[in-house]
Amino acid sequence: EAQVTQNPRYLITVTGKKLTVTCSQNMNHEYMSWYRQDPGLGLRQIYYSMNVEVTDKGDVPEGYKVSRKEKRNFPLILESPSPNQTSLYFCASSLSAVGNQPQHFGDGTRLSIL
Amino acid sequence: QQQVKQSPQSLIVQKGGISIINCAYENTAFDYFPWYQQFPGKGPALLIAIRPDVSEKKEGRFTISFNKSAKQFSLHIMDSQPGDSATYFCAAIPTGTASKLTFGTGTRLQVTL
Repeated sequence: EAQVTQNPRYLITVTGKKLTVTCSQNMNHEYMSWYRQDPGLGLRQIYYSMNVEVTDKGDVPEGYKVSRKEKRNFPLILESPSPNQTSLYFCASSLSAVGNQPQHFGDGTRLSIL
Repeated sequence: QQQVKQSPQSLIVQKGGISIINCAYENTAFDYFPWYQQFPGKGPALLIAIRPDVSEKKEGRFTISFNKSAKQFSLHIMDSQPGDSATYFCAAIPTGTASKLTFGTGTRLQVTL
């Protein structure tokens, strides 16, 4: 089954403790992206990747890092999480960033930073 | 700065009624307008999309109306069903940068019996 898989689905942690949210897609998609969803703000793009080893900042990149060493994986790293990063996070992928290919979303990761 | 403004924030419609969600954009470089549907506990999923050279697109009970001069577009759900209860997001993509998907703030739709 074609899918985008995020782990963990839920995480409660404390300020300053490094964490990684993994994202994996099995559709051989070139383009991957991370979003955060907050009430009243919709989804905002954090980082995106056009292909392996090619990443760029989205609209709200502060406090986050990403890497794209393999085509299928695009982990989101919070080096020193803070309470304002408490949010619902979504990873998405599409065949490419050209031609308005539809983005396929994972089911989300709910992070609580205390 | 919200480049895509969406309203209403929430909407309650009776079964069989018409649900209407409106979006307005500011950036004239946007040239592709998808709508996403999100159920609780799930990620958004593409519902229907339109390009600005078309004034209307219909897929089943879902219709997008597009007004390029007013920079507005809307989603109409005809014969709304309880299974349509979800959060709907409009979005916009600028020309040549399909990586920059800009979302509206979302509309929570509840269809009652």
